[in-house]
Amino acid sequence: GQQLNQSPQSMFIQEGEDVSMNCTSSSIFNTWLWYKQDPGEGPVLLIALYKAGELTSNGRLTAQFGITRKDSFLNISASIPSDVGIYFCAGRNYGGSQGNLIFGKGTKLSVKP
Amino acid sequence: DAGITQSPRYKITETGRQVTLMCHQTWSHSYMFWYRQDLGHGLRLIYYSAAADITDKGEVPDGYVVSRSKTENFPLTLESATRSQTSVYFCASSEPGGSYGYTFGSGTRLTVV
Repeated sequence: GQQLNQSPQSMFIQEGEDVSMNCTSSSIFNTWLWYKQDPGEGPVLLIALYKAGELTSNGRLTAQFGITRKDSFLNISASIPSDVGIYFCAGRNYGGSQGNLIFGKGTKLSVKP
Repeated sequence: DAGITQSPRYKITETGRQVTLMCHQTWSHSYMFWYRQDLGHGLRLIYYSAAADITDKGEVPDGYVVSRSKTENFPLTLESATRSQTSVYFCASSEPGGSYGYTFGSGTRLTVV
């Protein structure tokens, strides 16, 4: 089946550093979503992207929908300890059913104060 | 309370026993989903439902049964639990089209001994 390649798998950074992660696919998506999962909780939607080339911000988070429609990027600026968690990308195909929201395997972020 | 609620939060069961995980949402979302989360695999779709009495298999349906007699409830049953079904299970819901992505519950951590 379809897969999203999310990288890196994990990151261990110093507080205040910027963070970048990305997802790539062999298929075209018409929607890209980024979620964050806090320890012991379910994923929560951070940013949704609907158009190729779209750049959207949510506070210190910025995400982009790649021009090729096969990738997306998430950047976190000036990281803080509460940024710790697992970040998931998710994509939906053109004409896909609700079952076709595909998730990446996640990027685990650890922040050292 | 408005939202999506999963119960129980934690469950330990023995191999071969039947166990049901509950999911309840108060938004009247049409779509509901069950995922399992395991290290190295990310989120994998077990079953989903487009409406009451309509269900469909996801990526890893074997060993699981679902039903949806009411829009707001989507229970997941492990008919004869196995150790490989030890996991964290997440329920999610969405409107058709899901432009805003899925909303997840807080998860059920299931251990099969």
